[in-house]
Amino acid sequence: GAVVSQHPSWVICKSGTSVKIECRSLDFQATTMFWYRQFPKQSLMLMATSNEGSKATYEQGVEKDKFLINHASLTLSTLTVTSAHPEDSSFYICSARDAQGASYEQYFGPGTRLTVT
Amino acid sequence: DQQVKQNSPSLSVQEGRISILNCDYTNSMFDYFLWYKKYPAEGPTFLISISSIKDKNEDGRFTVFLNKSAKHLSLHIVPSQPGDSAVYFCAASGAYNFNKFYFGSGTKLNVKP
Repeated sequence: GAVVSQHPSWVICKSGTSVKIECRSLDFQATTMFWYRQFPKQSLMLMATSNEGSKATYEQGVEKDKFLINHASLTLSTLTVTSAHPEDSSFYICSARDAQGASYEQYFGPGTRLTVT
Repeated sequence: DQQVKQNSPSLSVQEGRISILNCDYTNSMFDYFLWYKKYPAEGPTFLISISSIKDKNEDGRFTVFLNKSAKHLSLHIVPSQPGDSAVYFCAASGAYNFNKFYFGSGTKLNVKP
């Protein structure tokens, strides 16, 4: 149980284009989902907290107009990287909290490797 | 400002021996700590956690120790197995904002057969 999927797992796009990454909770409902970014050999940095049916809460320094987050249902959150640039190349990981589970539990997706050329 | 630090980027241990992974934190408001295991190209998977009201939590081969006065926690794996080879992240959270996990930079564990 508690499986979180991400799609795509790997994407290459050209500079200036937009890329959408999906995060799905497969066997549980997630009122809250989180988006992280990980640079090589560095820790996971929380970008934003996504709540179903409301606006996402962005961490300091994260551009909300560049990283659009939509949490339209209890099982799906999307992250759209708009007008991507090479510096946006990174590993993006989502996690989800089970609405019925313990408050601290977060289940992570497998991540999406974004490369902007 | 890195509030959770893992100062050893890598650790190599012989199969059957003990692996000890260390983590330090700076924020005294943290009251919940977690260890995650991550394989390449996969997301982190939860391993074990500990609340600040405890100083030890054990689950099979994995034991987490918390020293609040030193703001230090460690993960012990005994006995270590080759399948334990992965990157281990420690994370911390506080009751004031349990949504936010602060992660360390990870320690890559290599268990040699």
